[in-house]
Amino acid sequence: EAGVTQFPSHSVIEKGQTVTLRCDPISGHDNLYWYRRVMGKEIKFLLHFVKESKQDESGMPNNRFLAERTGGTYSTLKVQPAELEDSGVYFCASSPRGVSNYGYTFGSGTRLTVV
Amino acid sequence: AQSVTQLDSQVPVFEEAPVELRCNYSSSVSVYLFWYVQYPNQGLQLLLKYLSGSTLVESINGFEAEFNKSQTSFHLRKPSVHISDTAEYFCAVRRGNRDDKIIFGKGTRLHILP
Repeated sequence: EAGVTQFPSHSVIEKGQTVTLRCDPISGHDNLYWYRRVMGKEIKFLLHFVKESKQDESGMPNNRFLAERTGGTYSTLKVQPAELEDSGVYFCASSPRGVSNYGYTFGSGTRLTVV
Repeated sequence: AQSVTQLDSQVPVFEEAPVELRCNYSSSVSVYLFWYVQYPNQGLQLLLKYLSGSTLVESINGFEAEFNKSQTSFHLRKPSVHISDTAEYFCAVRRGNRDDKIIFGKGTRLHILP
């Protein structure tokens, strides 16, 4: 089966611009998670989708971040407007619903640099 | 809430020497424990996991971790490391029996010295 796909793999944008990251989970995985790692710090949870619904968005840093998962398939994470502190690697992961012993499958991440 | 502590941010070790990467967790409920690895320029990969049963779990590339409930630890060990083990290792925890978020530690960079 295909893994979790994220693109772009790298993005360099100027402060104030908008960037949209995309994540394609493994087909059939209802759970989709977004994480972020700012340089030198831990990997932090952003939010969790179950199908198209936001199950937990407690990790979203502020209202400049908007995540969507229309139709319950792929997800997008938009940052608007981007700030310098948004730089980091954004990871997406997916898992099947109701299989709690599954250790998520992660994508390779999108490295976002805001200059 | 759950949390994970990896006290060592970097661990240098000579090739073919043993290594232990430490991980302690805190939780008021039962948890699942994981070790993930990130090789240079790659994504996160699941190395091994503890769900229940035997407290010693092994990976296919020679790593093992032991769940110690009394010490709330899940240390990762390998008896003999190789240059290819150079990576960053993340300990993680999740509430058991739930489709819940995984909480990560800060990671430990393993440097293999020739």
